[in-house]
Amino acid sequence: DGGITQSPKYLFRKEGQNVTLSCEQNLNHDAMYWYRQDPGQGLRLIYYSQIVNDFQKGDIAEGYSVSREKKESFPLTVTSAQKNPTAFYLCASSTLAGHSREYGYTFGSGTRLTVV
Amino acid sequence: AQTVTQSQPEMSVQEAETVTLSCTYDTSENNYYLFWYKQPPSRQMILVIRQEAYKQQNATENRFSVNFQKAAKSFSLKISDSQLGDTAMYFCAFKQAGTALIFGKGTTLSVSS
Repeated sequence: DGGITQSPKYLFRKEGQNVTLSCEQNLNHDAMYWYRQDPGQGLRLIYYSQIVNDFQKGDIAEGYSVSREKKESFPLTVTSAQKNPTAFYLCASSTLAGHSREYGYTFGSGTRLTVV
Repeated sequence: AQTVTQSQPEMSVQEAETVTLSCTYDTSENNYYLFWYKQPPSRQMILVIRQEAYKQQNATENRFSVNFQKAAKSFSLKISDSQLGDTAMYFCAFKQAGTALIFGKGTTLSVSS
C-alpha cells in the first residue's frame, strides 16, 4: 500500500546535538512538507519542496535544514541552533495536480522529539 | 499573508447531537482551497472535507458538511449525529495552488455519551 513513513516515532536529543528525522513516501507525490506542532499553536510550516533538489523555507525555518535528493525522501535535520526543539513533527506529501485541483495532503504518523 | 483563525479552542457535544466549528481566513486571492483535518488522540492527521473557492455549493461528506461564505471569508464545519469517534482536534486549513497549507490553531472537540 502506498503511504508516507516517518521514523523514528520517538527521538531524544541532547543539548548541542544535531538529529535527523526521516520522511519517505511511495505515493509518487511531487511535493513534500515539514510541519511542527506545539500545544495551542496548530501546525507551523518549517520547509517544503516541490521538486527534487529544490526547497523553500516556511515560517519557522531557523535552526532546521532539509535536503531533497530523491523524490521519495525529505529528511529534516534539527540543528543545535534550534533552541527549543521539543515538539511533534509531521511530514506530509501531495501531488502538484495543476492550478485547478488541490487535493490536500497525506500525512505521516509523526515524530515526537524531546530534548534531554 | 494569509491567515486562518479558529476562535473556539475547545468545544463539547453529546452523542447524536450536532456541533459547528468555526473558521475564518484572510486572503486577497480569489482562487484557493479550504480544508478541515481531524487529529484524533493517535495524532494521525485525517482529511475530513475540502472546498474549492470557485464552487458555490457547500461540500458534504456523510455526516460532515461545511458552510462556505466566500464574501465573509468564513468556512465552518458542521458535524451531525456526533459519535464518540469524532473526539479529536480539528484544524481548518487554507491553500493556494503551488503553496503550502496554512493551518489554524485548532479546536479540540470532545464527544460524550
